[in-house]
Amino acid sequence: GAVVSQHPSRVICKSGTSVKIECRSLDFQATTMFWYRQFPKQSLMLMATSNEGSKATYEQGVEKDKFLINHASLTLSTLTVTSAHPEDSSFYICSARGGQGFQHFGPGTRLTVT
Amino acid sequence: AQSVTQLDSQVPVFEEAPVELRCNYSSSVSVYLFWYVQYPNQGLQLLLKYLSGSTLVKGINGFEAEFNKSQTSFHLRKPSVHISDTAEYFCAVSGSGNAGNMLTFGGGTRLMVKP
Repeated sequence: GAVVSQHPSRVICKSGTSVKIECRSLDFQATTMFWYRQFPKQSLMLMATSNEGSKATYEQGVEKDKFLINHASLTLSTLTVTSAHPEDSSFYICSARGGQGFQHFGPGTRLTVT
Repeated sequence: AQSVTQLDSQVPVFEEAPVELRCNYSSSVSVYLFWYVQYPNQGLQLLLKYLSGSTLVKGINGFEAEFNKSQTSFHLRKPSVHISDTAEYFCAVSGSGNAGNMLTFGGGTRLMVKP
């Protein structure tokens, strides 16, 4: 139980384009989802907290206009990287808070911007 | 505010040897503590967690960790490692009143098991 999926697992896009990453809780409902970013050989850094039906809460230093988050249902949150640049290349991981309150992590999405 | 320090960025060890991955935390409130494992290009898998009660916590894959409040530590141990344990390990903390929110991660420890 408590499975979280992400799609796509890998994406390559050209600089200036936008990319959407989906995070789904497959067997539970999640009112809260989280988006993390991980650079190579580094730890996870929380980008934003996504609450179903309301605006996301962004961490300090994360541009809300660049990283658009939509949590339109209890099982789906999306992260859209707008006008992507090579420095946005990273591993993006989502998590969803389950019934007992703990976070369950997705498998991650590798974004490469050329 | 909370912080987590993983004292070793890399730990090389021979197969079937014991291993300890160190984790220290700081927090002004009571905490929940977690250890996660990350295999290459994958998400995080929960190994074990400490919420309350017994300070020795057993997890999956033969791992265990001991919560030491006085030393603010939560070291991860395994008595005999396998090649398949090669991965990145993350220690994390959250406030005990808010288990699902605001996980703070340590910098990670790369466990490298050699044959």
